[in-house]
Amino acid sequence: TQLLEQSPQFLSIQEGENLTVYCNSSSVFSSLQWYRQEPGEGPVLLVTVVTGGEVKKLKRLTFQFGDARKDSSLHITAAQPGDTGLYLCAGVPAPFTPLVFGKGTRLSVIA
Amino acid sequence: SAVISQKPSRDICQRGTSLTIQCQVDSQVTMMFWYRQQPGQSLTLIATANQGSEATYESGFVIDKFPISRPNLTFSTLTVSNMSPEDSSIYLCSPFVLAGTQYFGPGTRLLVL
Repeated sequence: TQLLEQSPQFLSIQEGENLTVYCNSSSVFSSLQWYRQEPGEGPVLLVTVVTGGEVKKLKRLTFQFGDARKDSSLHITAAQPGDTGLYLCAGVPAPFTPLVFGKGTRLSVIA
Repeated sequence: SAVISQKPSRDICQRGTSLTIQCQVDSQVTMMFWYRQQPGQSLTLIATANQGSEATYESGFVIDKFPISRPNLTFSTLTVSNMSPEDSSIYLCSPFVLAGTQYFGPGTRLLVL
């Protein structure tokens, strides 16, 4: 079973600070997704990265897929209280196989 | 993307009873995945359900405890049988829409007393 190690598990920061969440594995993934989940809701897809070295930006969020497709990062610039939530990385080990999830990062942004 | 709805959205059940969760998708999908999210945890795959065949269960999950039906390409059910407080979780279905991308509905919040 391929594993995704996500860190940090918990993060509490002040509004305006920057942060990075990491997702690492010893295995190669054909693609990787980042989700955000708020209490009482299902995970909402933020981005899918497919190509090694790929960088995608979504407003203040920057996602990177490692060159070897074994790791990924999520960087948030100037965090806001609305960014508070559970961030989940999930990888596809091979085409047409279900996602493998990391343990999640619970982010709290304090105003 | 796909529009996914689940029923019930939440329930409180007594120990020893069973609950069937319904998942409806607005488009035809070949594979449907069922996940469990225990309080404060990430998602764990329970099983993969294909239409016309028996579901494939992950290690630690068995058909007698979590029977799944997949009568057509837009609908699936997951039953949580003989429930105990340890089954208190969010249960989520996720259709396989595009290779490498999965979407989730709001889930079913289950509390077992």
